[in-house]
Amino acid sequence: DAKTTQPPSMDCAEGRAANLPCNHSTISGNEYVYWYRQIHSQGPQYIIHGLKNNETNEMASLIITEDRKSSTLILPHATLRDTAVYYCIVRVNNRGYSTLTFGKGTMLLVSP
Amino acid sequence: DGGITQSPKYLFRKEGQNVTLSCEQNLNHDAMYWYRQDPGQGLRLIYYSQIVNDFQKGDIAEGYSVSREKKESFPLTVTSAQKNPTAFYLCASSRRDRAKEQYFGPGTRLTVT
Repeated sequence: DAKTTQPPSMDCAEGRAANLPCNHSTISGNEYVYWYRQIHSQGPQYIIHGLKNNETNEMASLIITEDRKSSTLILPHATLRDTAVYYCIVRVNNRGYSTLTFGKGTMLLVSP
Repeated sequence: DGGITQSPKYLFRKEGQNVTLSCEQNLNHDAMYWYRQDPGQGLRLIYYSQIVNDFQKGDIAEGYSVSREKKESFPLTVTSAQKNPTAFYLCASSRRDRAKEQYFGPGTRLTVT
């Protein structure tokens, strides 16, 4: 699996866009980028995933660079409830069993 | 509402006792997983099950046991053989064809003294 690198922490003002970067320079052609977040003392929550095209859903947007070596998760209008640890995970999207290996992620603090 | 429930949220046990953590889902997911999280760390896979009556060891299965008698339920037993049982335990489930879109329960924080 490709290794990912994320900044340990970031700050964002409420109402502004939060842009969370992830480097995955060793990603291979069949590996997807997944994002999860974990609010303190709760289980992780799936956010979004993508292969090479940009993706958007009701929670966030995922921008993947053309060379796929990095990506950015965008929360367009961050709220206080978005304060959480955000994990970027790279894995092959094969069917069947698949464990998720979470690194240390980025602690996003949204302030009033 | 569909979801995953884990109970209890907090659990305290004395060293040497076995303890069973509950995990139930009504999402009709075939696959279920148990992870453990230690302070400031990521998640580590303990056991997983892709189908009823079948389960496989994850990365840190020693000292743990599971059963999968029903699709909805995947209880985890932390045995006295687990050397460092105090942790935050998370259960998850997924469709078999979307294994990385895992839905997590709220977790059980186990403290063994």
